[in-house]
Amino acid sequence: GESVGLHLPTLSVQEGDNSIINCAYSNSASDYFIWYKQESGKGPQFIIDIRSNMDKRQGQRVTVLLNKTVKHLSLQIAATQPGDSAVYFCAEYYTGGFKTIFGAGTRLFVKA
Amino acid sequence: DSGVTQTPKHLITATGQRVTLRCSPRSGDLSVYWYQQSLDQGLQFLIQYYNGEERAKGNILERFSAQQFPDLHSELNLSSLELGDSALYFCASSAVGASTEAFFGQGTRLTVV
Repeated sequence: GESVGLHLPTLSVQEGDNSIINCAYSNSASDYFIWYKQESGKGPQFIIDIRSNMDKRQGQRVTVLLNKTVKHLSLQIAATQPGDSAVYFCAEYYTGGFKTIFGAGTRLFVKA
Repeated sequence: DSGVTQTPKHLITATGQRVTLRCSPRSGDLSVYWYQQSLDQGLQFLIQYYNGEERAKGNILERFSAQQFPDLHSELNLSSLELGDSALYFCASSAVGASTEAFFGQGTRLTVV
């Protein structure tokens, strides 16, 4: 069935370092891949998405890489800050299905 | 603040009972999504409505139902509650029916005792 999973359940990084959060997906038919951030006590917040025909997309301090050959997605956060501490979900979206399927999440800890 | 309002924030009820969760989407958004978040299942898509009509369905139990009203607010009804239904229930909204960017509310924490 459909599934989006994560390689690492927790990641701890030093403030100022770059963070890389990885994700494996299984549904090759997905049109978009998405990253959401969920801070404690809040709902998920959209960070960035990438269309399935792209391999890289950059946002503000974030870069998403898509490797369709190995069905792998990653989120890179530059100069990680304490405010980046949260759970990060990768997700996939299939336009025909009108729904976003979320993975299990990775918790990012930023050490001061 | 995402602009999506969910009420109540917390709800404690007994097994076998029925509850209604309410969601007001962002102003102007036509789509509403419901998700269930539990520790062992992550974020599970339940159902989507677009402009009053059901658009997509996920792993929603038959004991659960939802609707979207003419003013675009939505309600999720959970009946014959079981202990395993304890979870965070999130509502999200987006402007259109097919969007990768959804805006989530702060959720309703349901505890079934």
